[in-house]
Amino acid sequence: DTAVSQTPKYLVTQMGNDKSIKCEQNLGHDTMYWYKQDSKKFLKIMFSYNNKELIINETVPNRFSPKSPDKAHLNLHINSLELGDSAVYFCASSQDWGQPQHFGDGTRLSIL
Amino acid sequence: GENVEQHPSTLSVQEGDSAVIKCTYSDSASNYFPWYKQELGKRPQLIIDIRSNVGEKKDQRIAVTLNKTAKHFSLHITETQPEDSAVYFCAASLSYGKLTFGQGTILTVHP
Repeated sequence: DTAVSQTPKYLVTQMGNDKSIKCEQNLGHDTMYWYKQDSKKFLKIMFSYNNKELIINETVPNRFSPKSPDKAHLNLHINSLELGDSAVYFCASSQDWGQPQHFGDGTRLSIL
Repeated sequence: GENVEQHPSTLSVQEGDSAVIKCTYSDSASNYFPWYKQELGKRPQLIIDIRSNVGEKKDQRIAVTLNKTAKHFSLHITETQPEDSAVYFCAASLSYGKLTFGQGTILTVHP
């Protein structure tokens, strides 16, 4: 059983399109995160939700909108995709704030 | 905000040697310091972590040390094996869970 699962694994799309990435965790954790890993492998947090409430919102363009329908799910919707959005997006979860974070397998987003 | 510097960016060792990766952080309020291993095309995996009330932690061949005064922490891998080859990331976290990552170290262990 995959603890943190993301879909899709790969996403290839045209500039200007809108796309969503889904994340689900079956660990019973209260906190979920979205990270972006760029081509230089740098990992940077984008958002964090605790019990469906947004607690971290880094300086991310408004085109990125997270949604947490329940504690086990955190989705990421991206509008008007740009070339610079090409990256690997990782979802993660932790029991609570400041607890070990477990990552999903990532979604590789490529913008043509 | 928090800033984490990680060195070296690449590290090449012979099988059986030790490897040391060092990180410094800027915010003295950071209290949680995990280390992640990421193999090519895979997810980051937590390998060891340490909290600010502890100076050292060991788990088999890996250990982490923390110097709060100097605001630096290090990962030590002994008896390295080829399967230890990966990118290693340090991170620092304030109490509300925001992890700030270092730039990563590409470790290559030659058989």
